[in-house]
Amino acid sequence: DAGVIQSPRHEVTEMGQEVTLRCKPISGHNSLFWYRQTMMRGLELLIYFNNNVPIDDSGMPEDRFSAKMPNASFSTLKIQPSEPRDSAVYFCASSHRQGANEQYFGPGTRLTVT
Amino acid sequence: AQTVTQSQPEMSVQEAETVTLSCTYDTSESNYYLFWYKQPPSRQMILVIRQEAYKQQNATENRFSVNFQKAAKSFSLKISDSQLGDTAMYFCASYNYGQNFVFGPGTRLSVLP
Repeated sequence: DAGVIQSPRHEVTEMGQEVTLRCKPISGHNSLFWYRQTMMRGLELLIYFNNNVPIDDSGMPEDRFSAKMPNASFSTLKIQPSEPRDSAVYFCASSHRQGANEQYFGPGTRLTVT
Repeated sequence: AQTVTQSQPEMSVQEAETVTLSCTYDTSESNYYLFWYKQPPSRQMILVIRQEAYKQQNATENRFSVNFQKAAKSFSLKISDSQLGDTAMYFCASYNYGQNFVFGPGTRLSVLP
């Protein structure tokens, strides 16, 4: 298996622009997680899905952030409009049985908003 | 709410020596899971070890082992025979079944030649 795939690996955009991050989980995994990592705040869970259904989005910072999982093999995290404080590395991870089993992380997307 | 604390922001160890990273957590649940993840400079997050709270036996994975003290809510990671490739950020994490997955702030470990 190719592992969790994220795209793009790097994104540089201007403040106010829409940003869409993409994730393809490992085939057969039924849980998908989106994380944000910054020096100041560490690793934060933004949202997670179980069987394509959002279970907990309490970590989503504000309405500018939205996430979807239209099917078992694809998820997006969208920021609209983007702001400089959104600059971070965004990770996607997938697993069996929600968080009880090992989460397999993607390589991350480094987002820079200028 | 769950919390995970790692009181050592940075640590260093000589190659071939043993080092222990501390982690404490807070949960009111009885059914939970604990993890140690490693993030090397490549940024890739990798699972080091996993412990199920209902199992009293400490988990081990080759040179990595944990000291799980359930009553004290402590979950430390011991790395034996440290290698240069162990240099990384180490994150302790907890999961309460049906709830959130929480990471600690991390400990930056440097293995010195």
